[in-house]
Amino acid sequence: RKEVEQDPGPFNVPEGATVAFNCTYSNSASQSFFWYRQDCRKEPKLLMSVYSSGNEDGRFTAQLNRASQYISLLIRDSKLSDSATYLCVPGALGGYQKVTFGTGTKLQVIP
Amino acid sequence: DAGVIQSPRHEVTEMGQEVTLRCKPISGHDYLFWYRQTMMRGLELLIYFNNNVPIDDSGMPEDRFSAKMPNASFSTLKIQPSEPRDSAVYFCASSSHDAEKLFFGSGTQLSVL
Repeated sequence: RKEVEQDPGPFNVPEGATVAFNCTYSNSASQSFFWYRQDCRKEPKLLMSVYSSGNEDGRFTAQLNRASQYISLLIRDSKLSDSATYLCVPGALGGYQKVTFGTGTKLQVIP
Repeated sequence: DAGVIQSPRHEVTEMGQEVTLRCKPISGHDYLFWYRQTMMRGLELLIYFNNNVPIDDSGMPEDRFSAKMPNASFSTLKIQPSEPRDSAVYFCASSSHDAEKLFFGSGTQLSVL
């Protein structure tokens, strides 16, 4: 099983819609998780951190489900500028810092 | 803060040539990561360093790839000899002591003809 798995999409949603995608992870010991955003031909940039049950930042909400070993990212009131690929990654575990990314989920917000 | 700086931004070379990619991490960061990204395989971790020491190079595809970090402010990824299948975007990232949040450079787009 891969360390991190994501639906590659693309998710095509109209402006103003709410969209959510999940990321499953295999290591139950993971304590922290991160969502990165990557625009076309650009580098990934940190979007949100999740250390416990969840985190909210404006239109973005990240939630963690430890029982089912997945994290989700919810985007409300989608904007055209939200179009990007969203990558999830479990944080480094103490003493083991190999940071492995999922393949990413592509989001396209349509006018 | 200047961020992570990579050079060159683009590299076009012929098969068999040596390629050297360069990275300057954010000052004060203890960890440095080299990733390769392709459409087919996504973002793959090649190698990472902690305090200039290579910790895990299990992602390095072949002996043709090598990476060094001679000091805290500079790292290189070398491919010798290069092959067309090495064509990809190579990212360098750095992180502070907990390696929790990575900051990426702009990447090097490598094309091997």
